[in-house]
Amino acid sequence: DAKTTQPPSMDCAEGRAANLPCNHSTISGNEYVYWYRQIHSQGPQYIIHGLKNNETNEMASLIITEDRKSSTLILPHATLRDTAVYYCIVSVRDDKIIFGKGTRLHILP
Amino acid sequence: KAGVTQTPRYLIKTRGQQVTLSCSPISGHRSVSWYQQTPGQGLQFLFEYFSETQRNKGNFPGRFSGRQFSNSRSEMNVSTLELGDSALYLCASSPGLALYNEQFFGPGTRLTVL
Repeated sequence: DAKTTQPPSMDCAEGRAANLPCNHSTISGNEYVYWYRQIHSQGPQYIIHGLKNNETNEMASLIITEDRKSSTLILPHATLRDTAVYYCIVSVRDDKIIFGKGTRLHILP
Repeated sequence: KAGVTQTPRYLIKTRGQQVTLSCSPISGHRSVSWYQQTPGQGLQFLFEYFSETQRNKGNFPGRFSGRQFSNSRSEMNVSTLELGDSALYLCASSPGLALYNEQFFGPGTRLTVL
């Protein structure tokens, strides 16, 4: 079972910030939070990861709550090309990467 | 730097046959992971190889196996194919263990079992 919970789908207007939430209430102290996205028919693409500090790169920002039980991926200016399924992943104790169902993000023109 | 390559890209087999899929990781990457993706089950972890050793395995039957060569290239094999094995098979490479590193995914091999 996935250790993360994400909404199945979200809409965001083009040009606005897309905020994708993820709950990972059972995360342990040394587990990273990873975000990937998968555009239709392509392999998943790494976006960002973090441990406990907020992180930012050229694609997105990752905000992790102080208790680390949840995080939010922020795409600052969503474009139509950001339409994809977004996966939040937390490494699991038996060393298996579990992707879960993800959030299907629709960018509306 | 070249990305992860997978061959073949498309494959059609019949029930009972076996199939071998190949993955060439990014140069310098030592870990290769395999995933199966179907519409119903989503992305499911098959196994990870690191330095020619299987590090862990997902909940798949023994018909699914793999190996990694000294140059980090990896193959996965599925024997006695079933209709339910029809899926997109993705491989991903990372510099070190997948748990602690960004994974780079290939385009996948789409397997159809008739």
